[in-house]
Amino acid sequence: ETGVTQTPRHLVMGMTNKKSLKCEQHLGHNAMYWYKQSAKKPLELMFVYNFKEQTENNSVPSRFSPECPNSSHLFLHLHTLQPEDSALYLCASSQEIGGELFFGEGSRLTVL
Amino acid sequence: GENVEQHPSTLSVQEGDSAVIKCTYSDSASNYFPWYKQELGKGPQLIIDIRSNVGEKKDQRIAVTLNKTAKHFSLHITETQPEDSAVYFCAAKHNFNKFYFGSGTKLNVKP
Repeated sequence: ETGVTQTPRHLVMGMTNKKSLKCEQHLGHNAMYWYKQSAKKPLELMFVYNFKEQTENNSVPSRFSPECPNSSHLFLHLHTLQPEDSALYLCASSQEIGGELFFGEGSRLTVL
Repeated sequence: GENVEQHPSTLSVQEGDSAVIKCTYSDSASNYFPWYKQELGKGPQLIIDIRSNVGEKKDQRIAVTLNKTAKHFSLHITETQPEDSAVYFCAAKHNFNKFYFGSGTKLNVKP
């Protein structure tokens, strides 16, 4: 089993759909993150959770709604997205905030 | 906040040649500089890192150098192989603050 697992790997959705991305880490880490990766741009930090409490929301539009039920699971709920939201969404975890990041393989999202 | 710039955006080398990727940062308080490799269809993976109290670090064919005065750091890959083809990201951070990433370099190693 890989350290950080993301599902689904690919997702195509219309602008009126509601879908969710899931992340699970098997590393016993306490911090989890959502990043957005767009072509030729730096990774954009979206949300940070530490011991399942949100510690950072990087001015992310409300159409992205994170959920962290426990330290091992992280969700990103998506609704009424825009085509410009199409990107690779990466989940990461670290032992503590600011520690070495371990990334999942990402969920490739296409918004039509 | 911190600003990390990375160059070049694409780099093509012949197998066996060396490759160098450079990053500059703006915040002199940054003290940790990791490099990530992202293969096609996968997430970024840490390959080497350096802290501000060290000028150079090597791990087999890869090395990282840091110039704190000039606020730049570089990734060096020697004797490149086709499996080195990937996107490489630099990053910078200060203590427990968040990571700031460069925009990535796509390295193509031609056999």
